[in-house]
This record gives sequence, structure tokens and C-alpha cells, in this order.
Amino acid sequence: QVQLVQSGAEVKKPGASVKVSCKASGYTFTSWVRQAPGQGLEWMGWIGAANNNTKYSEKLQGRVTMTTDTSTTTVYMELRSLTSDDTAVYYCARMRMAARTFELWGQGTLVTVSS
Amino acid sequence: DIQLTQSPSSVSASVGDRVTITCRASQGIRTWLAWYQQKPGKAPNLLIFAASSLQTGVPSRFSGSGSGTDFTLTISSLQPEDFATYYCQQANSFPWTFGQGTKVEIK
Repeated sequence: QVQLVQSGAEVKKPGASVKVSCKASGYTFTSWVRQAPGQGLEWMGWIGAANNNTKYSEKLQGRVTMTTDTSTTTVYMELRSLTSDDTAVYYCARMRMAARTFELWGQGTLVTVSS
Repeated sequence: DIQLTQSPSSVSASVGDRVTITCRASQGIRTWLAWYQQKPGKAPNLLIFAASSLQTGVPSRFSGSGSGTDFTLTISSLQPEDFATYYCQQANSFPWTFGQGTKVEIK
């Protein structure tokens, strides 16, 4: 069955960076969405596998980078200068770009930022 | 940013009930609206796209309607597996945003 498999949980100190992976089986577009504990969903951005085109949320512009490794069909999301506000579950999601929806999700990766 | 306001924030209902959730956008989003279901500890699951199109594999008791600023998700006959949190999401303009969620609880 088709699925997205993400890397494991991370604990980081404030100011550090984290890089989360998502084995995406070569999907055309992949988005990242995060969810702080007990909170709603926040779209972070998307990346196109064919040409590495990206679109980031302006809120995270300058701190987030999304990349792809086509040889391993893996998508990465790196977030820098972490603060406690970045503590969340991070999801990758395959997009249906024509409908602009997230139609298949990874299992989520918990990133905890704590001193 | 476009704000999506869902109502109610929570609803208590019984199996077999008809449940309606509304999503209001702060500005017109045409039909660029989707609905997701999320169960505790799990990733969201796409139910409806383009405001009213049912995602493949989703039971027909789920339906969506609306355009512009006002949208609804209806569950025609609530089933035990439908107790979850539901989110609307707009993709008319960046940043794509979600509603705050509506929790459907057992009465």
C-alpha cells in the first residue's frame, strides 16, 4: 500500500536546527504541515519534485528549507533557529496540486524544543 | 491571511444523528476548500475537496457544499467511527490556512 514514511522523533535545544525526512515515493508535490500540542494545523510550504520549486509560508520564510533527493525519493524539511513555539508534530503530505489538497499523509514526526 | 472560522467548536451527537459543521472564510475563496477528519494521535484524512467533491474511498454519508465565503460539511447519519475532529482548509491564496477544528463527541 502506498504510504509516506517519516523519520523519528527529535529533541532539540532552542536555537538548534532539525531536519525531518519523508520517503515519498517520487510524488510530484509534497507539502509540510505542523500541529502544536493540542492545537490546529498549520501549512508550512510545499516542494515540487521535478524541479525543486518551493513555496513557503511567509511566517517561516528564512527559517525553513525543503529539499528532495530524487535518487532515494525522499523529501526533507529543515527548520532552523528553533524555539519552544516550534514544538509540534510535523507531517509531510502528498498533494493533489490540481485540487490543492493533501491527499496522503505521513505518520508524523514529533519535534520537541526544550532546554 | 485568510481566516477560516468553524462552528461549532464542538458538538455532542448520537449515532445516527445528522451533523452539520460550517466554515466561514474571511474573504471569498471560490470553491478552494477541503475538509479533513483527524482522530487522536493520527494524521488527518482528506474527506472532501473542491468544496463538494467526495474523495475516493470516503463514505457517501459525508457531503460538502458552499462557495465564496460559506461552506458546510454534513454527516448524514453519524457512525461510531466518525467521532473525531474535523478541519476545513482553504487553498485560494497563500498561505493556505486551516480552520480551528470542530470536535464531534459522543452524546
